[in-house]
Amino acid sequence: EDQVTQSPEALRLQEGESSSLNCSYTVSGLRGLFWYRQDPGKGPEFLFTLYSAGEEKEKERLKATLTKKESFLHITAPKPEDSATYLCAVQAVRGSYIPTFGRGTSLIVHP
Amino acid sequence: NAGVTQTPKFRVLKTGQSMTLLCAQDMNHEYMYWYRQDPGMGLRLIHYSVGEGTTAKGEVPDGYNVSRLKKQNFLLGLESAAPSQTSVYFCASSYSLALAGEDTQYFGPGTRLTVL
Repeated sequence: EDQVTQSPEALRLQEGESSSLNCSYTVSGLRGLFWYRQDPGKGPEFLFTLYSAGEEKEKERLKATLTKKESFLHITAPKPEDSATYLCAVQAVRGSYIPTFGRGTSLIVHP
Repeated sequence: NAGVTQTPKFRVLKTGQSMTLLCAQDMNHEYMYWYRQDPGMGLRLIHYSVGEGTTAKGEVPDGYNVSRLKKQNFLLGLESAAPSQTSVYFCASSYSLALAGEDTQYFGPGTRLTVL
């Protein structure tokens, strides 16, 4: 059974204080790993897809990296508008291809 | 493009009542999904559809039924609502199941359902 564990559950940062969110996974062959951002009262919004260990993708202050066991979402010099819940999901090579989601990390950035 | 829309945004039901949640997408996507999101549980797949007229069960299908009579619409039904079905329901759609390259799941804004 595919499993996705995100840590920490919640993270509070001061504006400008860089940090990382972790997504560790167990899957029978990784096809893809997805990061989403979810604002309160809204649906998840796609950020990145990573396919293989060593791959990195960047968008503004966010950088996602992937190893064979986990992914990190690095947030550099965050701003209050980066406050959101960040979801990680994995897609296995076998089966239905439908992603399995983690429980998310709630990030609050204080001004 | 409106993307993925959901109706209604909020609903309160009494135990035993029935209702239908409507999801519509204007991206001509083949694949559509219904998830529920509960505190501390993450997104869990209820049912999904791989095309017009076809549906399949997800991780937590009990107590729900779905229909995909038109490509752009995916309906989620609760025949006899229970308090355990209190949740936020999200619909999503995608061009393919593979979600390769630029393809991804596009999510609607959600329906907050309370069952008393």
